[in-house]
Amino acid sequence: AQSVTQLGSHVSVSEGALVLLRCNYSSSVPPYLFWYVQYPNQGLQLLLKYTTGATLVKGINGFEAEFKKSETSFHLTKPSAHMSDAAEYFCAVSEGGTGGYQKVTFGIGTKLQVIP
Amino acid sequence: NAGVTQTPKFQVLKTGQSMTLQCAQDMNHNSMYWYRQDPGMGLRLIYYSASEGTTDKGEVPNGYNVSRLNKREFSLRLESAAPSQTSVYFCASSERANTQYFGPGTRLTVL
Repeated sequence: AQSVTQLGSHVSVSEGALVLLRCNYSSSVPPYLFWYVQYPNQGLQLLLKYTTGATLVKGINGFEAEFKKSETSFHLTKPSAHMSDAAEYFCAVSEGGTGGYQKVTFGIGTKLQVIP
Repeated sequence: NAGVTQTPKFQVLKTGQSMTLQCAQDMNHNSMYWYRQDPGMGLRLIYYSASEGTTDKGEVPNGYNVSRLNKREFSLRLESAAPSQTSVYFCASSERANTQYFGPGTRLTVL
């Protein structure tokens, strides 16, 4: 069975400060890991993903995440927060595979507030 | 490309009424999904269709039915709506590497 834990349902940072959103996962097989972002009244969109290879993954809007197998973590970071980063962020895990269907488990989400 | 589209965007129902939420994707994806999103609970899978012609239950299927009409379209039906089904519903589709593409959502209120 796979699961995702996002630490902190709400995170506040000042504009220009480091953004760190935490995600820990469990999976019985090598996982695929994702971060999605949801802006108000919109659907989720992919921010970045890890499948195989390089453990530091860069995404859109200056975000990046590092896959740490020993810590079962996939934390999301951005060096300098911008007001437009205010949104809800979801971490997700799947058991990979190249077929069309893969079960994906989402975390409960972290709402990021950026303070001017 | 429009990606994943959903209709309607908003809907208010009375308890016991029925309705169908429509979803279509133009990315030629094999797999499609219906989720509901509730505060503090993240996204929960209602039903999915791994490929055209197949459908399977997800985590919270009670009170819902689905139809995979063709490769593009996947509908969700509420036969007798209940207040507990007040939620935001998202449709998604996927192909390779597990990335799911989401529609804009339907905000449903059941009175």
